[in-house]
Amino acid sequence: GAVVSQHPSWVICKSGTSVKIECRSLDFQATTMFWYRQFPKQSLMLMATSNEGSKATYEQGVEKDKFLINHASLTLSTLTVTSAHPEDSSFYICSASQLAGGVIETQYFGPGTRLLVL
Amino acid sequence: EDQVTQSPEALRLQEGESSSLNCSYTVSGLRGLFWYRQDPGKGPEFLFTLYSAGEEKEKERLKATLTKKESFLHITAPKPEDSATYLCAVSNAGGTSYGKLTFGQGTILTVHP
Repeated sequence: GAVVSQHPSWVICKSGTSVKIECRSLDFQATTMFWYRQFPKQSLMLMATSNEGSKATYEQGVEKDKFLINHASLTLSTLTVTSAHPEDSSFYICSASQLAGGVIETQYFGPGTRLLVL
Repeated sequence: EDQVTQSPEALRLQEGESSSLNCSYTVSGLRGLFWYRQDPGKGPEFLFTLYSAGEEKEKERLKATLTKKESFLHITAPKPEDSATYLCAVSNAGGTSYGKLTFGQGTILTVHP
């Protein structure tokens, strides 16, 4: 149980184009979904938190107009990188949180999406 | 501000050589401490959640323990397939940060056959 998928697993695009990444919780309804970015040999950096049907909460320094997040249902969140530039190239990982016995929300992570902007 | 520090940064073990990874944390109110395993090019895989000091959890060759200031991930008789980056994270019980995780930098474990 607690499986999270991401699509696509990797994407190459030209500078100036937009890229959409999907995150789905396959076997549970996620209370909250999170989007992270990870640079080589570094830990995860939280970009934003989203709840179904409401606006995402972005971390300080993350441009909300550049990284558009839509959380349409309890099982689907999307991240759109608008007007992508080479500096946006990175490994993007989503997570979905599920209550564990009603005590705490455990985050389960997707496999990640590697974005390369040329 | 919540802080998580993991040590060592990298650990090399021979197959069968048991050891421990450390995670020291500072948080205003601990909601939970999480251990994840991450293989290269993949998302983190959930291992354990610890809620309160004194709690222990085991899974195969791994055992996680928690005190008020730190957590240990003990690896007993490791195998090469245990090689990965192990991440520690804490969740704050505070209102606005509810559900958010603060991650440590990770420990890169390499187990040689």
